[in-house]
Amino acid sequence: DIQMTQSPSSLSASVGDRVTITCQASLDISNSLNWYQQKSGKAPKLLIYDASNLGTGVPSRFSGGGSGTHFTLTISSLQPEDIATYYCQQYESLPLTFGGGTKVEIK
Amino acid sequence: QVQLVQSGAEVRKPGSSVKVSCKASGGTFSSYAVGWVRQAPGQGLEWMGGIIPVFGTAIYAQEFQGRVTITADESTGTAYMELSSLRSQDTAVYYCARVPTRSPTVRGQFDYWGQGTLVTVSS
Repeated sequence: DIQMTQSPSSLSASVGDRVTITCQASLDISNSLNWYQQKSGKAPKLLIYDASNLGTGVPSRFSGGGSGTHFTLTISSLQPEDIATYYCQQYESLPLTFGGGTKVEIK
Repeated sequence: QVQLVQSGAEVRKPGSSVKVSCKASGGTFSSYAVGWVRQAPGQGLEWMGGIIPVFGTAIYAQEFQGRVTITADESTGTAYMELSSLRSQDTAVYYCARVPTRSPTVRGQFDYWGQGTLVTVSS
């Protein structure tokens, strides 16, 4: 199975800050990487697919990058509504696997 | 607009089974894949398996092989996930989600999600 390692596991930042979350794959997954946002008590929401493509209706302050084994999710200007846990997910091979999550809080 | 509506919360005893439904509307149900993902309390996301209704053949994560059965009814636009031999560690929210792919491997992104079904396993 491909292991997905996210860092940090949690972070606290101020409104307006630039925030970056990283996701490392245990094998080369090309660009087969998605990012999700999950708010408390809600289902996950697709943010980024194929490593860098913005999901439908997702604000442009979110962006994704990387390929191979190293990926990033960046929020260019953190907003109060971005408080959530963020997960990466690989689909290069089965089983589909997720990172452990990064909890984002406002300082 | 695609919507996935899941069945309500369930409470089961250890050793029993549970069947969760996921009804799709607003899209072409048969042509895309439906995956199942679970989330134990306070934990991360775990893929269980998926199916493309038009093909009818499901794929399962090794961890759940032999205990999970995923099916789909094209006539009603509904997918099902049945988990048997339940144990306390199966207590979780179970989500269905659409994968916009026609590949039988059901790999891709989960672009639409159901609201989740809480399954509690307790004696």
